[in-house]
Amino acid sequence: DAGVIQSPRHEVTEMGQEVTLRCKPISGHNSLFWYRQTMMRGLELLIYFNNNVPIDDSGMPEDRFSAKMPNASFSTLKIQPSEPRDSAVYFCASTRRGLAGVDEQYFGPGTRLTVT
Amino acid sequence: AQSVTQLGSHVSVSEGALVLLRCNYSSSVPPYLFWYVQYPNQGLQLLLKYTSAATLVKGINGFEAEFKKSETSFHLTKPSAHMSDAAEYFCAVSGKGAQKLVFGQGTRLTINP
Repeated sequence: DAGVIQSPRHEVTEMGQEVTLRCKPISGHNSLFWYRQTMMRGLELLIYFNNNVPIDDSGMPEDRFSAKMPNASFSTLKIQPSEPRDSAVYFCASTRRGLAGVDEQYFGPGTRLTVT
Repeated sequence: AQSVTQLGSHVSVSEGALVLLRCNYSSSVPPYLFWYVQYPNQGLQLLLKYTSAATLVKGINGFEAEFKKSETSFHLTKPSAHMSDAAEYFCAVSGKGAQKLVFGQGTRLTINP
């Protein structure tokens, strides 16, 4: 299995531009999570999906952030407009969620976003 | 509700010494517990997990952790540290019926030669 795939791996953009981060979960996984990691705030859960449906977006910082999962094999996290404080590493993770609860999550390599 | 507390944001040990990273959890349901490792510029990788089977769990790279219900702890240990163990380590909790993992703040492990 190729694991969780994220693109791009690095993104440098100017303040005010739209940024789109992409994620392909592991085939057969039915839950997908977006995290943000910074030195100051650590690892933060932004939003997660079960069976392509957003379940909890309480971690999304503000309306500039949006996430979609149009099908089981693809998700996007969009920031519009971007700001320097959005600079961070964004991780996507996927898992198989069964009736017993959440099993381990498999993380992608992350996208390092720099907003200048 | 679930939460995780990792005691010590930074731990430093000598090469060959015992590694002990502390994790205490709170959970309203029987917990599933995980340790992840993150090497520089990489994503998180699962080290080991406890899901209500044996209380002593062995993971990759010689690490192990013991689930102690009475102490609500899941500390990570390795008998002899290696330079390649330098990384950040995250403890996480989930549980039966839980929707997501709850991560601790992480512990940065430094190995001194």
